[in-house]
Amino acid sequence: AQSVTQLDSHVSVSEGTPVLLRCNYSSSYSPSLFWYVQHPNKGLQLLLKYTSAATLVKGINGFEAEFKKSETSFHLTKPSAHMSDAAEYFCVVSEGGFQKLVFGTGTRLLVSP
Amino acid sequence: DAGVTQSPTHLIKTRGQHVTLRCSPISGHKSVSWYQQVLGQGPQFIFQYYEKEERGRGNFPDRFSARQFPNYSSELNVNALLLGDSALYLCASSLDRARGNEKLFFGSGTQLSVL
Repeated sequence: AQSVTQLDSHVSVSEGTPVLLRCNYSSSYSPSLFWYVQHPNKGLQLLLKYTSAATLVKGINGFEAEFKKSETSFHLTKPSAHMSDAAEYFCVVSEGGFQKLVFGTGTRLLVSP
Repeated sequence: DAGVTQSPTHLIKTRGQHVTLRCSPISGHKSVSWYQQVLGQGPQFIFQYYEKEERGRGNFPDRFSARQFPNYSSELNVNALLLGDSALYLCASSLDRARGNEKLFFGSGTQLSVL
């Protein structure tokens, strides 16, 4: 079975500083990997997805992630945090012959002024 | 265009009761998936339906069932509710069902509380 591990349950940054949210994956074959964001009382929103076309994936709102097969990692980064980035972030892997998403446990991003 | 809509937004039930949650996908989307999100955890896959047929099922008991209608809307049914069924239930829709081509759009969910 495929799985993802989010290495930090909480990450705190100051506005304007870089963001790094860490994710390692476990997969027996080339995975489809995603990052989703969940703001309070709102639905999950897709930030970006990796499907083997390019190892550096650019997403919405200035986020990007790099797929590193040798490290089995798919870390999410942003050069400069904004207050509106405060939310729960989920690293996700797709499993099976259908659209079953396996979510990590989430990382709560806190942004202080 | 309307996004994925779910109803009701909140629901309170007692143990042993039955509940039906509803989902309307984005217009043109033929695939609907259901996820359960317990407080403090990531969502867990329950079902995927495509063209009115079950295409995938997660590790949930038979008390959980679902169906998809000709207009692609969907219902999730849970029988004999347990306290542990208290969670946010999320519905997601996508254009097709192919793995690797997922772009799922999630609704805001139904918050179910079982007392």
